[in-house]
Amino acid sequence: TQLLEQSPQFLSIQEGENLTVYCNSSSVFSSLQWYRQEPGEGPVLLVTVVTGGEVKKLKRLTFQFGDARKDSSLHITAAQPGDTGLYLCAGTNTNAGKSTFGDGTTLTVKP
Amino acid sequence: GAVVSQHPSWVICKSGTSVKIECRSLDFQATTMFWYRQFPKQSLMLMATSNEGSKATYEQGVEKDKFLINHASLTLSTLTVTSAHPEDSSFYICSARDSYTDTQYFGPGTRLTVL
Repeated sequence: TQLLEQSPQFLSIQEGENLTVYCNSSSVFSSLQWYRQEPGEGPVLLVTVVTGGEVKKLKRLTFQFGDARKDSSLHITAAQPGDTGLYLCAGTNTNAGKSTFGDGTTLTVKP
Repeated sequence: GAVVSQHPSWVICKSGTSVKIECRSLDFQATTMFWYRQFPKQSLMLMATSNEGSKATYEQGVEKDKFLINHASLTLSTLTVTSAHPEDSSFYICSARDSYTDTQYFGPGTRLTVL
């Protein structure tokens, strides 16, 4: 069974601060996705990373896939209250037919 | 991005009744869809993998006779909660996998409350 450990589980910061969320596994994934979910809604895809060492930027969000494709990080610069939500990472292997989700990081950005 | 719809968005039912939830991929075909259950402030718990034209694959501990899944077309999967009880109250989310990118796109979820 593939496991994804996501940390921290909860994070509460002030507006303007930076933060990093980590997603680690002992397994190799074909690709890794990051999602953001607001209460009462389904997760929304933020990014997919495929290549080891890949870095993708989405405005103030920077996503990195580890060289060995076992881990990933999400860095948010100058967090805003609108960034508040549950962030989920998911590792996918084509052969497995399904994705493995981390436990999620609940981020609260206070104005 | 790809769109997945879910219906209904919320439902309240009496204990003992059955509830059907629909999941549709609106702009792509999905041979594989997934059904999740989520408790407040927790991650997604995979219940079953729905494969078009074949039987669903259930995760350990999920009763297949209670949570009936039908994936009759490339754009529609349904989850029926049979003889619902208050402990079945939860947020149910479906996702559809784009076979070209291997990416899952999620529906907006269905809030089930069993009285």
